[in-house]
Amino acid sequence: DQQVKQNSPSLSVQEGRISILNCDYTNSMFDYFLWYKKYPAEGPTFLISISSIKDKNEDGRFTVFLNKSAKHLSLHIVPSQPGDSAVYFCAATGLTGANNLFFGTGTRLTVIP
Amino acid sequence: EPEVTQTPSHQVTQMGQEVILRCVPISNHLYFYWYRQILGQKVEFLVSFYNNEISEKSEIFDDQFSVERPDGSNFTLKIRSTKLEDSAMYFCASEGQGRGYTFGSGTRLTVV
Repeated sequence: DQQVKQNSPSLSVQEGRISILNCDYTNSMFDYFLWYKKYPAEGPTFLISISSIKDKNEDGRFTVFLNKSAKHLSLHIVPSQPGDSAVYFCAATGLTGANNLFFGTGTRLTVIP
Repeated sequence: EPEVTQTPSHQVTQMGQEVILRCVPISNHLYFYWYRQILGQKVEFLVSFYNNEISEKSEIFDDQFSVERPDGSNFTLKIRSTKLEDSAMYFCASEGQGRGYTFGSGTRLTVV
């Protein structure tokens, strides 16, 4: 049962343009959402997070938007840079007492110079 | 920046052999996790560990798997009798206050 879904396995964007990575979830108990970035042969690196009490969180070039009613979140990267090329994982966790993250399957972002 | 350290980076083992994957979490963190990623598939939760005991485990974490924090520093994942399908990247993570996990760089386990 895929509780966190990233329906786009890959995305290519020109350098300087906006990258938008999407994520959907099914479990309404999720209250905290995270984006991780992963380079080949490395572990996931925390990028940005958002609590369900907010609908937007911004950190430099990265902004995460949360639409609770649609159970949808998105990560915007602007402007995109070649070094942003990586796999991006959306993850979610809830108030159920479980401390584990539910990961999406990832979106491979390629920023073309 | 504190790091989670995993060793070895790559482990090749014969099917049926025991392997121990080692992790050194961030020293003041209290929650520890193992995840794995089979090549081309999603990152999957295996087990969480708090206060010297397993707090949660997934269906993947069967009797062949065990975890230990033997000396207050290392956090190990043992697979007693490896199977071909255990080949994956294994990631250790730890968490302190707040909800952000810090992941190690992973151990690539190859079972032949």
